[in-house]
Amino acid sequence: NAGVMQNPRHLVRRRGQEARLRCSPMKGHSHVYWYRQLPEEGLKFMVYLQKENIIDESGMPKERFSAEFPKEGPSILRIQQVVRGDSAAYFCASSPRTSTGSGNTIYFGEGSWLTVV
Amino acid sequence: GESVGLHLPTLSVQEGDNSIINCAYSNSASDYFIWYKQESGKGPQFIIDIRSNMDKRQGQRVTVLLNKTVKHLSLQIAATQPGDSAVYFCAESFQGAQKLVFGQGTRLTINP
Repeated sequence: NAGVMQNPRHLVRRRGQEARLRCSPMKGHSHVYWYRQLPEEGLKFMVYLQKENIIDESGMPKERFSAEFPKEGPSILRIQQVVRGDSAAYFCASSPRTSTGSGNTIYFGEGSWLTVV
Repeated sequence: GESVGLHLPTLSVQEGDNSIINCAYSNSASDYFIWYKQESGKGPQFIIDIRSNMDKRQGQRVTVLLNKTVKHLSLQIAATQPGDSAVYFCAESFQGAQKLVFGQGTRLTINP
């Protein structure tokens, strides 16, 4: 069973460039989440998507960041005009159904480490 | 609650001893809690979860205790092994919410 797949695992970008991070959820999962982790900190929620819909983007920065989960293909987290402060690990997670409160476990990928130089 | 940019708390234990990792959560409305293990350079790995209608749940070598009165969660690891070395995070959520709120994390190191 393939888990949540993320690529690239490591990405280096110069300031001002664009970063695209991809995530394929676990088989049978239609809910995708993106989290960001700075060194020595816990994960911070960014956005929650279902196929073709953004459900909750309350954790997304207002500018330069966007996310999509098209009908076909992986979910994409896009960061435009990257700055050094964007350097972090970006984790994708998926679940089979909505509402973590009902006990639907969220499974995480291995992350994409973005370094902005 | 929300983590801050401080060095992670560290717990050092002898191999074979039991470990207890604690977590204070922030939202009294939270009704679902998860413990994750994160090794260096890897993603969070699910360990065990518990709902708010329970106060204890056991897995293989792990036990989670929930005290809603003081908003406290703990993870007990029995007979700690070198492979248990990692950072452990608690996370909380509440009914209808679509996101997890992670705690600060605790680094567990195992002494041989």
